[in-house]
Amino acid sequence: GAVVSQHPSRVICKSGTSVKIECRSLDFQATTMFWYRQFPKQSLMLMATSNEGSKATYEQGVEKDKFLINHASLTLSTLTVTSAHPEDSSFYICSAGENGNTIYFGEGSWLTVV
Amino acid sequence: AQKVTQAQTEISVVEKEDVTLDCVYETRDTTYYLFWYKQPPSGELVFLIRRNSFDEQNEISGRYSWNFQKSTSSFNFTITASQVVDSAVYFCALSPHFGNEKLTFGTGTRLTIIP
Repeated sequence: GAVVSQHPSRVICKSGTSVKIECRSLDFQATTMFWYRQFPKQSLMLMATSNEGSKATYEQGVEKDKFLINHASLTLSTLTVTSAHPEDSSFYICSAGENGNTIYFGEGSWLTVV
Repeated sequence: AQKVTQAQTEISVVEKEDVTLDCVYETRDTTYYLFWYKQPPSGELVFLIRRNSFDEQNEISGRYSWNFQKSTSSFNFTITASQVVDSAVYFCALSPHFGNEKLTFGTGTRLTIIP
């Protein structure tokens, strides 16, 4: 079964609203989780590193005020897309590592902003 | 900086043919991990293999095999006797050794198996 669970798998929201995506590690604790973004027919690009109990580390070019990341517990990280716009429509996927370098990915979340 | 190159954007082969997907990487790390993932249309990433840079032995798993050549910084993936279910996008990825699970992905190869 899945060891990293992501929810929702698909979400449609109106332009200007915010949407939250959850990433949970099941049966293990993850002090670090990673958020990736994938545009259609493109590769996965790392957006940010989510650190439990501290601020996320964002990759260059990623707006931290736009993509809010919270990692309040050892099993949950959330990505909130604030004031979403159609260009934010994308596939978002998280990952978490167990015991160093055993990397598990969530099922991914398809976001459509209309 | 790390970089992964998958020069083949799209490949189409007829069912039962063998196909090799190329992956070339760049890293300054002396130790690292290499990965292959399969991404079907539904989007999830299916883990296929992880290879430690210390281990240059080739690996075979059923119809899948991997050829790791450290001298040429390549980690190629071969599917023998391809099947329609193998149609997907395949990603090669790289991560530093120990404690950092951040992956650098290649651009992916879209494989289509023609029945």
